[in-house]
Formats: sequence, structure tokens, C-alpha cells
Amino acid sequence: TQLLEQSPQFLSIQEGENLTVYCNSSSVFSSLQWYRQEPGEGPVLLVTVVTGGEVKKLKRLTFQFGDARKDSSLHITAAQPGDTGLYLCAGDFVTSGTYKYIFGTGTRLKVLA
Amino acid sequence: SQTIHQWPATLVQPVGSPLSLECTVEGTSNPNLYWYRQAAGRGLQLLFYSVGIGQISSEVPQNLSASRPQDRQFILSSKKLLLSDSGFYLCARLARDRGHNEQFFGPGTRLTVL
Repeated sequence: TQLLEQSPQFLSIQEGENLTVYCNSSSVFSSLQWYRQEPGEGPVLLVTVVTGGEVKKLKRLTFQFGDARKDSSLHITAAQPGDTGLYLCAGDFVTSGTYKYIFGTGTRLKVLA
Repeated sequence: SQTIHQWPATLVQPVGSPLSLECTVEGTSNPNLYWYRQAAGRGLQLLFYSVGIGQISSEVPQNLSASRPQDRQFILSSKKLLLSDSGFYLCARLARDRGHNEQFFGPGTRLTVL
């Protein structure tokens, strides 16, 4: 059962535009991570958010953790072609006494020059 | 620093042939290790994870198997490959930082079954 839904699934925008990617779940996560993956490479960790309502910034990327720790968003300002890639959210939670770390469905972003 | 190596980087195999993919980790001891498969442009499917030598947990039924013969070595195998086994295979280790978990990935192995 997929517990982390990302939207949109695909996004193609022009250089300089802004965009937001969403990661939603019905479960509460103790922490949530965002990764970026380029073709032919493994995912690279961008950020971890831990506290409900937390906002973290990484240059033009702004990450927010929902107040209830069930959702997160990634906002990119003035996107550049170098932002192109697959964005994955992931998080850990405990269900039925078992620890689980799961990945979202992914958002494929293409930024056109 | 902690590094994950995967071998080989790419592999083309015929249907029915055996498979062995290797993942080795440097710079840490007793890591939790994971095997994921990723179909083209899609998310990650967890295949196996291991919390120590000889300890393997399988997440999905399939014709693949995993082994942990040494603390820093994680191997993914198959006796007979299927076309559906094609994909990008990623090895990852779990890191715990200030009370929360993160995963770090190796460079991956691209497997094509013909």
C-alpha cells in the first residue's frame, strides 16, 4: 500500500517559473526527507524536516512540513534547467509496532531553457 | 566519509540467466542496508533490507533473493532472470541523525533483461 502520494506526477516548465510539489499522506511521520535523482544516478538527500510547521530553505528551494506532520511541500523559485530531475519525498513512521521507511511516488520535473 | 559502491554499473543479461549484484559500504559498521528497484521514471520499490550479517527481510514476493555474507556487503541474486526484472537497482544504507532516519544511496546498477 502506497502511503505517500506526490503531485503532480510530471511537470514541465520554462526557466524562471516557480513551482510547488506536494507530498501527502494519511499517516503521521516522525520526519520527512526530500531527495533529487538525476537519470542514471542514485537519489541524493536534499533536506530533512522534523517539526510540524517547519520551513527550511536551500538556495531557491523551500521545504515545508505540515503542522500535523502528514504532508510536505517543495517550492522552487525561478527554476533553472539544473533543477531538472525526479523529486522524491520519503519518511519514517511506526505502524503496528513496526518501523517503516517509505518513498513517495515521485515528481518528474523538466525545466526548459 | 561513508561511501556505497555498487557493481556492476550496467548489465545486460538473457532471460533465464543468473544474476548477482553487489553492494559494499565503507566508513561505517553494522549498517542497515536496503535493495530497491526502480522502473524507468518511477518511484522506488523496496525489495529487501538487512539489519545485520545473515539477516534478510523480504518486502515483496519475487524470484530475487538477497544475502548479507559480511557486515558491509549486501548481494542481490536470482537463479533465473525474467524480463520483468529489468530496472535500475539501488542499494542504500540507513543513517540516523539527531533522532531521525535518512537514507543514502549508491550509484545504482542498470539491469536489462533481453
